[in-house]
Amino acid sequence: GQNIDQPTEMTATEGAIVQINCTYQTSGFNGLFWYQQHAGEAPTFLSYNVLDGLEEKGRFSSFLSRSKGYSYLLLKELQMKDSASYLCAVRDSRSGGYNKLIFGAGTRLAVHP
Amino acid sequence: DVKVTQSSRYLVKRTGEKVFLECVQDMDHENMFWYRQDPGLGLRLIYFSYDVKMKEKGDIPEGYSVSREKKERFSLILESASTNQTSMYLCASSTKSVDRAIEETQYFGPGTRLLVL
Repeated sequence: GQNIDQPTEMTATEGAIVQINCTYQTSGFNGLFWYQQHAGEAPTFLSYNVLDGLEEKGRFSSFLSRSKGYSYLLLKELQMKDSASYLCAVRDSRSGGYNKLIFGAGTRLAVHP
Repeated sequence: DVKVTQSSRYLVKRTGEKVFLECVQDMDHENMFWYRQDPGLGLRLIYFSYDVKMKEKGDIPEGYSVSREKKERFSLILESASTNQTSMYLCASSTKSVDRAIEETQYFGPGTRLLVL
């Protein structure tokens, strides 16, 4: 079956570093996306990994280990505006020839002063 | 910039009403998607479309239908709204790529929060 797990909530302090983990089980893995979603707004694309390793983009980095079915999103130098939900989504290439995204429930991050 | 717009931010409907949710994208994307988002469940795919007049069921199509008469517009229809369809509805679009999954990044609209009484 398909399953994506991530923590429900996390808290962190402004200026600190936080790591949000995501584990997945899918039959036809073809890439992993991270999205950010502020309350009441649309999800916005943050990062994409298809090969093992770390992808760095400014204050945000994303890591993937396909053999372990594991990814994390690393946020450095946290700012208050980083308070949001972070959605892990796996691209499943198995579904009838079409690629579709399977989303986790999201991790709500609260950044405190 | 990709722009995906949805016809309403908030809707209140009564049980049994027929409800139309409209989504328009301005980037000539082939793929369009309808999701619902509920607390603790994440985004769940209702229907998607990879071309005009083409539609495919997602994971939770029951109680919904869709229409894609033009490339830029994808409509979600609740034939007879029920209280368990109270939710946030999100539309998304993406290009179609055979080789590079990154090009299929989905871009989301602002969402429609539907309340069915």
